[in-house]
Amino acid sequence: GAVVSQHPSWVICKSGTSVKIECRSLDFQATTMFWYRQFPKQSLMLMATSNEGSKATYEQGVEKDKFLINHASLTLSTLTVTSAHPEDSSFYICSARGPKGTGELFFGEGSRLTVL
Amino acid sequence: AQRVTQPEKLLSVFKGAPVELKCNYSYSGSPELFWYVQYSRQRLQLLLRHISRESIKGFTADLNKGETSFHLKKPFAQEEDSAMYYCALSGRSNTGKLIFGQGTTLQVKP
Repeated sequence: GAVVSQHPSWVICKSGTSVKIECRSLDFQATTMFWYRQFPKQSLMLMATSNEGSKATYEQGVEKDKFLINHASLTLSTLTVTSAHPEDSSFYICSARGPKGTGELFFGEGSRLTVL
Repeated sequence: AQRVTQPEKLLSVFKGAPVELKCNYSYSGSPELFWYVQYSRQRLQLLLRHISRESIKGFTADLNKGETSFHLKKPFAQEEDSAMYYCALSGRSNTGKLIFGQGTTLQVKP
């Protein structure tokens, strides 16, 4: 099946620094990927839709300048948390639509960000 | 407003007992409904979708438009069914954007 991989799996950073999280589709091309945020014991909240070769579409309430998304190739989308603060600590998950015809979404393993 | 509600945070049953995980939705149109499962230390994966009308691992779910529900059922729970279950909604255009419910932890006791 289609595989989506995230890196890093976990990261700890100091307040004020920026952190980049990568989301890769390993064996298929993904023109669209999605970034979610999950707080402990809560649901996944869609943050933005990452579109290959164009600007990301952000959900209401999500700061574009805070969460920079780049989708420069058909297999890679990156989420950069800029000037991170402790309240940005969370579990970030990406997903991508599988190869044409399936329509199924495949999820990455998630990246846990802790901001000190 | 688009919303998915899973009223139970935790559902605990004994092995062999029937299971029903509740899901209600709010959507102004014809949605596509899904159930995703997350086993311990694994990534989220699709369990079933209403348009395929399949039975996966003994689970079924029927879309009830009148009650705006998409409850997940299994007649006889197994210990390996213990996991976190998320109900999710997508618009008919199937852009891939999903609205998730809060999730229900299913605990199947031996």
